[in-house]
Amino acid sequence: EPEVTQTPSHQVTQMGQEVILRCVPISNHLYFYWYRQILGQKVEFLVSFYNNEISEKSEIFDDQFSVERPDGSNFTLKIRSTKLEDSAMYFCASSERGTGTNEKLFFGSGTQLSVL
Amino acid sequence: AQRVTQPEKLLSVFKGAPVELKCNYSYSGSPELFWYVQYSRQRLQLLLRHISRESIKGFTADLNKGETSFHLKKPFAQEEDSAMYYCALSNFGNEKLTFGTGTRLTIIP
Repeated sequence: EPEVTQTPSHQVTQMGQEVILRCVPISNHLYFYWYRQILGQKVEFLVSFYNNEISEKSEIFDDQFSVERPDGSNFTLKIRSTKLEDSAMYFCASSERGTGTNEKLFFGSGTQLSVL
Repeated sequence: AQRVTQPEKLLSVFKGAPVELKCNYSYSGSPELFWYVQYSRQRLQLLLRHISRESIKGFTADLNKGETSFHLKKPFAQEEDSAMYYCALSNFGNEKLTFGTGTRLTIIP
């Protein structure tokens, strides 16, 4: 079965540094997402992306965050100036149609971001 | 605002016994409900969705709009059912999936 791939699996950074988390969604999928899970807490929606633009974002997704699809395969999440509270597992996901149509999400295995 | 509540963080069940993982939601519209599962060292994956009315790996879930619940059930637990289970909710036309805090199910041999 095709998979969403994420790199790196672990990222350690200093507070205030920029990080880019990378994802390769499943090739025929049109909707892309980032979620995160702080240790011991629930999985939280960050942003959805469709047709080369953000379709929805949460309150967490402030000006420090941005997403990009720089080419036909990659989907990236950039955190401009990391804070301690950004430490979390970040999940990329994709789907053929949006979750608003009951569509199944395919998740990557996650990037564990640690901000020191 | 949409919210999903899974009251049990941990649940231990003997092999062969029935399993019920509870999920309650609050949402004023017409929700779409899902169960996602994460087995040890694997990625989060869809187990089932209410619209399909399917049984996957012996699990079923019925949407009860009166009680705003979507409990996950299996009549006879198997060891391979040990995993983290997340209930999730979305609504038509909305891309955001709202997750519960999850229940770690452990099947005792």
